[in-house]
Amino acid sequence: DAKTTQPNSMESNEEEPVHLPCNHSTISGTDYIHWYRQLPSQGPEYVIHGLTSNVNNRMASLAIAEDRKSSTLILHRATLRDAAVYYCILGYNNNDMRFGAGTRLTVKP
Amino acid sequence: DTGVSQDPRHKITKRGQNVTFRCDPISEHNRLYWYRQTLGQGPEFLTYFQNEAQLEKSRLLSDRFSAERPKGSFSTLEIQRTEQGDSAMYLCASSLARGGQRNEQYFGPGTRLTVT
Repeated sequence: DAKTTQPNSMESNEEEPVHLPCNHSTISGTDYIHWYRQLPSQGPEYVIHGLTSNVNNRMASLAIAEDRKSSTLILHRATLRDAAVYYCILGYNNNDMRFGAGTRLTVKP
Repeated sequence: DTGVSQDPRHKITKRGQNVTFRCDPISEHNRLYWYRQTLGQGPEFLTYFQNEAQLEKSRLLSDRFSAERPKGSFSTLEIQRTEQGDSAMYLCASSLARGGQRNEQYFGPGTRLTVT
């Protein structure tokens, strides 16, 4: 299985942009890049996914490197509610997503 | 609230007892997944169903674990002869899969199992 590497933790100030990196040097051509986040005491929730092109939705943006060996989840203005563990996951489909330990994001007021 | 519910939310049991958890997915979703999450780790995939068929099981799903989705709606996860190592959060998720589309999973709040 293709593996992802994320920093264990990151900090951000409220209302500032946050860039959460993910390395996936062994990604295969058919692997999508999925991001989920898990707020305290809740199940994970979908954030965004992409294959090759950068993607935007109401929650975040996903920037994918041209060689697809890394990607960055961008939260444009962090709020206190964005404090969570963010997971970067590879997969051709989302039937058997392999979550790593993720990045714990702390947002400071 | 994602629309996926799990019951119970918390379960404390003694080692050796059997426990059963229930998951009610979003009604139109045809896929249902079970995960296990221990403290400080991400969720680990256990198994998934498409309608009533169990299509994949992880090596983590020992023979003490069994999951069913009898009518393609709700699902149950049973653990027989519980061990302390089974203590974890058990998460259920559902999705609507159509052809090759990428469809996100919606997770329930989980059932926290403590085996004493």
